[in-house]
Formats: sequence, C-alpha cells, structure tokens
Amino acid sequence: EIVLTQSPGTLSLSPGERATLSCRASQSVSSNSLAWYQHKPGQAPRLLIYGASSRATGIPDRFSGSGSGTDFTLTISRLEPADFAVYHCHQYGSSPWTFGQGTKVEIK
Amino acid sequence: EVHLVESGGGLVQPGGSLRLSCAASGFMFSNYWMHWVRQAPGKGLVWVSRVDLEGSTAYADSVKGRFTISRDNAKNTIYLQMNSLRDEDTAVYYCARIVAVGTPLGYWGQGTLVTVSS
Repeated sequence: EIVLTQSPGTLSLSPGERATLSCRASQSVSSNSLAWYQHKPGQAPRLLIYGASSRATGIPDRFSGSGSGTDFTLTISRLEPADFAVYHCHQYGSSPWTFGQGTKVEIK
Repeated sequence: EVHLVESGGGLVQPGGSLRLSCAASGFMFSNYWMHWVRQAPGKGLVWVSRVDLEGSTAYADSVKGRFTISRDNAKNTIYLQMNSLRDEDTAVYYCARIVAVGTPLGYWGQGTLVTVSS
C-alpha cells in the first residue's frame, strides 16, 4: 500500500501568514489522484483539493494544491481564523486508499 | 443536499460486537459505492471498507474477517457489522461517498464513536 507522510506535524502561524504543507508518498500516486481535506474537531472532513490541484466546489482560492508523482503541497496563501484545523492528504489512485497522519495548523 | 448520518456507536468490551448504520439522503443512493473510514484518537484517517453497487465488498487488512459491510438500497442505508472487536478498533467511524467517478470522498457524515474497553 502507498504510505503518505505529512510534514510538519504541527505548523504554528499567525492569521494572514502563508501555510505550506507537504505530503510525500512512498510510491508514485496514480494519475495524481491526491486529495487534501480540512478537518475540525467534531466535524466531518471537508474536501478542499482533488486531482492534486483542483479546488472542490465552494473552496476559496486562497487554498491551492500542487505536485505530482510522490511530492505534493497544499498552500494556504493567507490564513484566516477559520483555517486553523488539521489537514489530511489522501491518495485514491491505488487500493487500498490511504491517508497521511495529518498536519495541525495552529494559531501562534 | 447530500446527508449521511451514522449511528450505532458506543462502548463495547473487547471481543464484543457492534453494528453501525449510515442513513443516506439527498441523492440516488443505489448509484454510488459507499465507504467507511475511521479515525482513532490522536491518529490519522484510515479507510476501512467499501461496498459497490452490486454489493461486492473490500476491506482493510486490519479488519478483514472481523468486519462486514452491507447495503440496503430500499432503506438508503449501509451497515458495518463489527465482530471480535479489539482495543485498537476504538475510533470515530465515518461513512462517506465520492463526489463522482474518479474523485475522492467528498461527502462525509459527522461520525459515530466506538470505544472498545473493559
């Protein structure tokens, strides 16, 4: 199975700053089938990015995804208070589908 | 609007059983594969199981032989029968659906907590 490793584990930033989150796969992700989710306590995960770089419906353009093969990045250009959460990457190109362990973006 | 509502979680002793349900609404249920994903305390998300349109199933190795997923299209509901539960099965269990063919899980329920403890 494809193992996804996210870094850093925790990112401490202030509102207005830029956040850069990394997701590295143990082998190439088929068809760049890589997604990013935002997850807050007690809530359902929210799909942000699919296909490595396509924003899901209703997702603001401050969220962007990039990368291919084994290295992927989620960038939040200017953090807003609602953006402080845990972010998961997820590959859905190979069975079994797998997720990274998450990166927590916390207020500095 | 797509809604997925899980139920059936609770406290169970190791070796025990529990059945989770996920009631779906707002879409043509019979047209979609459905999935279960879980998150143990302090850990990442883990895909658990899925059922396709014809009822064919797939499981993560960690639950194979202990968990059974099924669907009832007349009730717009999927189930997860969990047997021989272990401490490490403690998690919030989410049901989820893809947005469209070739896309990831885009619709999720709020989750139901399963605690395995003596």
